[in-house]
Amino acid sequence: AQTVTQSQPEMSVQEAETVTLSCTYDTSESDYYLFWYKQPPSRQMILVIRQEAYKQQNATENRFSVNFQKAAKSFSLKISDSQLGDAAMYFCAYWSYNAGNMLTFGGGTRLMVKP
Amino acid sequence: SAVISQKPSRDICQRGTSLTIQCQVDSQVTMMFWYRQQPGQSLTLIATANQGSEATYESGFVIDKFPISRPNLTFSTLTVSNMSPEDSSIYLCSGCKGAHTEAFFGQGTRLTVV
Repeated sequence: AQTVTQSQPEMSVQEAETVTLSCTYDTSESDYYLFWYKQPPSRQMILVIRQEAYKQQNATENRFSVNFQKAAKSFSLKISDSQLGDAAMYFCAYWSYNAGNMLTFGGGTRLMVKP
Repeated sequence: SAVISQKPSRDICQRGTSLTIQCQVDSQVTMMFWYRQQPGQSLTLIATANQGSEATYESGFVIDKFPISRPNLTFSTLTVSNMSPEDSSIYLCSGCKGAHTEAFFGQGTRLTVV
C-alpha cells in the first residue's frame, strides 16, 4: 500500500521569507501523481500544485514550486515570498491509476506565517 | 475544475440521531468521494460514491453506519447514522472528472455530537 509521510507537524516562516515543507512517499508504481493541497481555517481544500511522476521538470505555480526527487521518493514544497494568507494546513497527496483511484494524504503540516 | 456546494456547513446533533450531508457539483464528475477529518488530523477516506450502485467502503467504515447515495453525476449524500460523540469530526466530499489529476472539495461539514 502507498503511504505518504510529512515529518513536520508545524512550520513557521517570517513574512516575505521562503519555507520548504517536506513530504516522502512509498510506492512500487512508476506512474503516479503527487499533489500539495492547502487547507485554510475555512476548511476548503485548495489544490496548490501538481506533479506528474513521468515529468522530470519540477512543477511551479507562481510563488510555489516543488523539488521532486523520484528516486528518493521525495516531494517537497517551497513557498517563496511568504504571505500572511499562506498560513494554513498543507497536505501532500499521492494518486496512481493502480491505487484504487483515490488520493492518499500525508498527515499534514501546519504553516504559520509571522508578520 | 468544478465547484462543490456542501451543506450543512456545521451542525450540532444529539447522540442516537442521524444527519445527512449533501454535496452538489456544478458540473458532471466521474467520481465522488467522502472523507472524514478529525480536528488537526489528515483526511481519511470513508468511501467512493458510485453512481447508480452501492458505494465502495474503506476498511473500518460500513454501509449501515455511513449510507451513501449518488443518484446522478452531480449529487451525492452521506448519512451519519445513530451518532455518538466519537462521530464528531469534519466530513468532506470530493469529486474528480476522470483520471485523478485534480480533485476538488466541498467546504466541509463540521459535525458535533452531544
